[in-house]
Amino acid sequence: QTVVTQEPSLTVSPGGTVTLTCTSSTEEVTGTYYANWFQQKPGQAPRALIYNATNKHSWTPARFSGSLLGGKAALTLSGVQPEDEADYYCLLRYGGPWVFGGGTKVTVL
Amino acid sequence: QVQLVQSATEVKMPGASVKVSCKASGYTFISYYIHWVRQAPGQGLEWMGIIDPDGGSTTYAQNFQGRFTMTRDTSTTTVYMELSSLRPDDAAVYFCVRELHGGIFDYWGQGTPVTVSS
Repeated sequence: QTVVTQEPSLTVSPGGTVTLTCTSSTEEVTGTYYANWFQQKPGQAPRALIYNATNKHSWTPARFSGSLLGGKAALTLSGVQPEDEADYYCLLRYGGPWVFGGGTKVTVL
Repeated sequence: QVQLVQSATEVKMPGASVKVSCKASGYTFISYYIHWVRQAPGQGLEWMGIIDPDGGSTTYAQNFQGRFTMTRDTSTTTVYMELSSLRPDDAAVYFCVRELHGGIFDYWGQGTPVTVSS
C-alpha cells in the first residue's frame, strides 16, 4: 500500500518561512506525480494552492510556492501571515489512483 | 462562475447505502474529471475515486472497490457517488473536486456530511 508522508505539524513565526514536504513510500517524487497542494481551515472545504508541483492558481498568494526538492514535493510559505494557519495536504498521482498525504498542521506563533 | 454544489446532510443506519450528488455548473461538464474525497472527523483527506464525465469511465481506490460506485448524468451535469454496506467508520464529510486533464485540481464542492448511526 502506497503511503504519502508529510510532517504532522510545523510552527512558524509571523513573517517567517516554512517548508512542508511530501514523500512517497515507493520512489522519488517527480513531475509525473502531478503533485497538488491544498489548504484547509477548520470547517471549510479544502482550497487548491499548487498544481503540477510548481504551478499556482490565479488565487494563490505569491508567498506560496511549490517545488520538487531532493526527491520530494515541497510547499514553501514565505513571509507567513496569521491567516496561513491551517492544515496543508499534498496529493500525488500513482498512474490511475491518487493518494493524499496525511497532512501538515501549520501553526503561526 | 464555476460551482460544484453537493446534496445535503445524510443520516444512515449501519448496513444502508448513501447516494451523494455533485451538481456542476459554470463550465463544460465533460471537460473535467470529478474526484470524490472523504474526511472522517478530525482526520485527513482520503481519495476515493475518479470519474470521467465524458464516457463515464471510473477508477476506484483499492479501499473502496466493491461497495463504492460513481455515476454521472450529462443531461443534468451531475455526478453521483454511492457507498453501500455503510459502517460507523464511513461517517465523514464527502467532497467532490474537479480536475482538468493533466493533474490540475481546482474547485471543490462544499462537502456533504454523512452520519452512520443506529
